[in-house]
Amino acid sequence: AQSVTQLGSHVSVSEGALVLLRCNYSSSVPPYLFWYVQYPNQGLQLLLKYTSAATLVKGINDFEAEFKKSETSFHLTKPSAHMSDAAEYFCAVSPMDSSYKLIFGSGTRLLVRP
Amino acid sequence: DGGITQSPKYLFRKEGQNVTLSCEQNLNHDAMYWYRQDPGQGLRLIYYSQIVNDFQKGDIAEGYSVSREKKESFPLTVTSAQKNPTAFYLCSSGTGPYGYTFGSGTRLTVV
Repeated sequence: AQSVTQLGSHVSVSEGALVLLRCNYSSSVPPYLFWYVQYPNQGLQLLLKYTSAATLVKGINDFEAEFKKSETSFHLTKPSAHMSDAAEYFCAVSPMDSSYKLIFGSGTRLLVRP
Repeated sequence: DGGITQSPKYLFRKEGQNVTLSCEQNLNHDAMYWYRQDPGQGLRLIYYSQIVNDFQKGDIAEGYSVSREKKESFPLTVTSAQKNPTAFYLCSSGTGPYGYTFGSGTRLTVV
């Protein structure tokens, strides 16, 4: 069965520092890959998605992620953290099968220090 | 604007009571999904429906039921058989190649 692993339940960075949130998936066939952000008591907002086009995917708010098939990874980065980036981030995969179900990682809470 | 509307935002359930969470979309998506979110566990799939009048169990379907009588609507009922229903529930629609849209969620609390 497909699974998604997000390393680090909490990540703390200083404002202006690089943000790196890690995501690894288990699949022999590259799936569709997504990063979502969630603010408290809200739904999920799509940051970016990989659907087998370019391996470097650019998303909203200067976030980007690189798909690395050899490492089965899809890490999320942002060059300079803002206070408003403090939220929970979820990596998710959708296997290329007929169900199109989303399988989520357990999430990483990003803390931004002033 | 197209999107997903979940209601109510907050819901309180008494022991032994069934409650229904509403999910409506105007995105013309065939597929819809219900997820449960607990702290530190990410989102887990309860039920999903790929077409009207058809739905499948997800990973944690016990104690829940759904219907899909209209393309736009996918209500979730939390039955009295669900022993630990306190959680945040999210409805979604879409498919892998095109992405998924989420509602703003319903927080269910047992009182």
